[in-house]
Amino acid sequence: DAGITQSPRYKITETGRQVTLMCHQTWSHSYMFWYRQDLGHGLRLIYYSAAADITDKGEVPDGYVVSRSKTENFPLTLESATRSQTSVYFCASSERSPGIQYFGAGTRLSVL
Amino acid sequence: KNEVEQSPQNLTAQEGEFITINCSYSVGISALHWLQQHPGGGIVSLFMLSSGKKKHGRLIATINIQEKHSSLHITASHPRDSAVYICAVSRWETSGSRLTFGEGTQLTVNP
Repeated sequence: DAGITQSPRYKITETGRQVTLMCHQTWSHSYMFWYRQDLGHGLRLIYYSAAADITDKGEVPDGYVVSRSKTENFPLTLESATRSQTSVYFCASSERSPGIQYFGAGTRLSVL
Repeated sequence: KNEVEQSPQNLTAQEGEFITINCSYSVGISALHWLQQHPGGGIVSLFMLSSGKKKHGRLIATINIQEKHSSLHITASHPRDSAVYICAVSRWETSGSRLTFGEGTQLTVNP
């Protein structure tokens, strides 16, 4: 399917476990982003990537790891999940900078 | 103080009313974005603008760079316009690649 897809859509895990959220886009967009959305904070940037093998931290990177070995994929890993990482996570991509960002449907993560 | 401020936080309107949502920012920007988040959670980009005015259907976005202010207008509002509207800016110092978001305006349009 064309577009940007996130998986899983819902995830429940326990504190201390490693969790990976997947993001895949079919447009060959250069830029990809991970955001988290929490009540009272709006959307906040976790990590972003300007191209394959180029990543950089956003506002709230602690506790997260990203990689981008292929242009189309940008997985986000929580190395040891904490309750404070319970949130809705959105992946986005854009062709250029600045550019319109296209968002995935989101992943709702609960850490118990 | 947040770098991107939206007002109002909540807005309730009757169908057919003209609606305005405001966004002020305090940083240097290369572009300003308006996004819409539906009750189901999906986020869609409505506009990206760096000057002047853009129109798409019943939606109009304007920006005043000197005053660091943007407005989103909805003409002839409809219940399907009910959503959260989010203002975001692409910051100069990050080559425009990073967005800083406002907290959103919850719009409810009653029939």
